[in-house]
Amino acid sequence: QKEVEQDPGPLSVPEGAIVSLNCTYSNSAFQYFMWYRQYSRKGPELLMYTYSSGNKEDGRFTAQVDKSSKYISLFIRDSQPSDSATYLCAMTRNNAGNMLTFGGGTRLMVKP
Amino acid sequence: NAGVTQTPKFQVLKTGQSMTLQCAQDMNHNSMYWYRQDPGMGLRLIYYSASEGTTDKGEVPNGYNVSRLNKREFSLRLESAAPSQTSVYFCASSRGPTNEKLFFGSGTQLSVL
Repeated sequence: QKEVEQDPGPLSVPEGAIVSLNCTYSNSAFQYFMWYRQYSRKGPELLMYTYSSGNKEDGRFTAQVDKSSKYISLFIRDSQPSDSATYLCAMTRNNAGNMLTFGGGTRLMVKP
Repeated sequence: NAGVTQTPKFQVLKTGQSMTLQCAQDMNHNSMYWYRQDPGMGLRLIYYSASEGTTDKGEVPNGYNVSRLNKREFSLRLESAAPSQTSVYFCASSRGPTNEKLFFGSGTQLSVL
């Protein structure tokens, strides 16, 4: 079993929909949680970052962490075709850059 | 401001050939990383350099070597390429070894026949 699980999708939604992307994990020591967005044939770019449990909002994006359930989510409101990308979750137990564990990514398609 | 630059973008090798992937960052970051990305596997760390002059193995180092040429540049070498090394390779950097926010390059798509 992988340490971090993500549904690969693809997830197809109409423009304007609310999107929910999720990751589950097995290591209760993870404390730092990130979401990266990766456009086709590009490198991942950091989208959201949270420490420990709780919510964090940035514009149309909300990251949610539930450590008791070992579950993190990324919500996208008013989704746009430009949000079409693969979304990778990543997490680590400390703040070391060499200790990140990535999920396999969920491919999202937002249709006009 | 280019960020992290990788060359080449695409490469096809025959089994047994060698090649070096180049990476440079202009953000004055101390730490640099090499990852590979395979379908459904997520990103896996090959090697990293916490600071200039140091390198360490990551999760999947076999078949690879690295050189931290200076603070800006971090290269990845395949001495004798194998089909199992067909992948997309990403270089990344961060401000320091205790900073988990990574900045990635655009990747090198490598095929080994």
